[in-house]
Amino acid sequence: SQTIHQWPATLVQPVGSPLSLECTVEGTSNPNLYWYRQAAGRGLQLLFYSVGIGQISSEVPQNLSASRPQDRQFILSSKKLLLSDSGFYLCAWSVFGRLNTEAFFGQGTRLTVV
Amino acid sequence: GENVEQHPSTLSVQEGDSAVIKCTYSDSASNYFPWYKQELGKRPQLIIDIRSNVGEKKDQRIAVTLNKTAKHFSLHITETQPEDSAVYFCAASKGSNFGNEKLTFGTGTRLTIIP
Repeated sequence: SQTIHQWPATLVQPVGSPLSLECTVEGTSNPNLYWYRQAAGRGLQLLFYSVGIGQISSEVPQNLSASRPQDRQFILSSKKLLLSDSGFYLCAWSVFGRLNTEAFFGQGTRLTVV
Repeated sequence: GENVEQHPSTLSVQEGDSAVIKCTYSDSASNYFPWYKQELGKRPQLIIDIRSNVGEKKDQRIAVTLNKTAKHFSLHITETQPEDSAVYFCAASKGSNFGNEKLTFGTGTRLTIIP
């Protein structure tokens, strides 16, 4: 069966510090991968998605970047965190080329920038 | 790109009553409409979905309706129970067999069931 791992679960970082959140998927190949941010009252905002290694699409201009160094690994990064980067970050995957694009979410990382 | 609006943002209903959450979408090419439930502190999980070739789908106490002409779809929960309390998200995408079709989510509805 497929599983998705995301870590860390919680993170407190000072303003201006770097960020690296990692997500890995097991039990499937060539998944679509996503990073979402959930801020209070703003639902699930898609930040990045990837259809393959090295292929990243950015949805929202921001202070963050994403990379996919391996087929089932997706990393969310920042060189210098801002207070506004605080939120709940969710990694997700879906099957490539499916009519029903069900997304399976990781457990999330609650990031607090202080 | 696609824009999904969801209403209401909060909803409180008495246990046993029905709850209805509504969403509208902007891209007429969208053809897949899932609903996710997120319990407190947990990840969102799919509870029901509908494709554009179907007007209504039901799964026990949960049903979803789709009006393609008006570009809106709704989630209906009947005989609500305390465990239905959660945040519900609607979403839309243009599913295809040819690659990635990303989900665009609504802003969520916090449903509270009053015992």
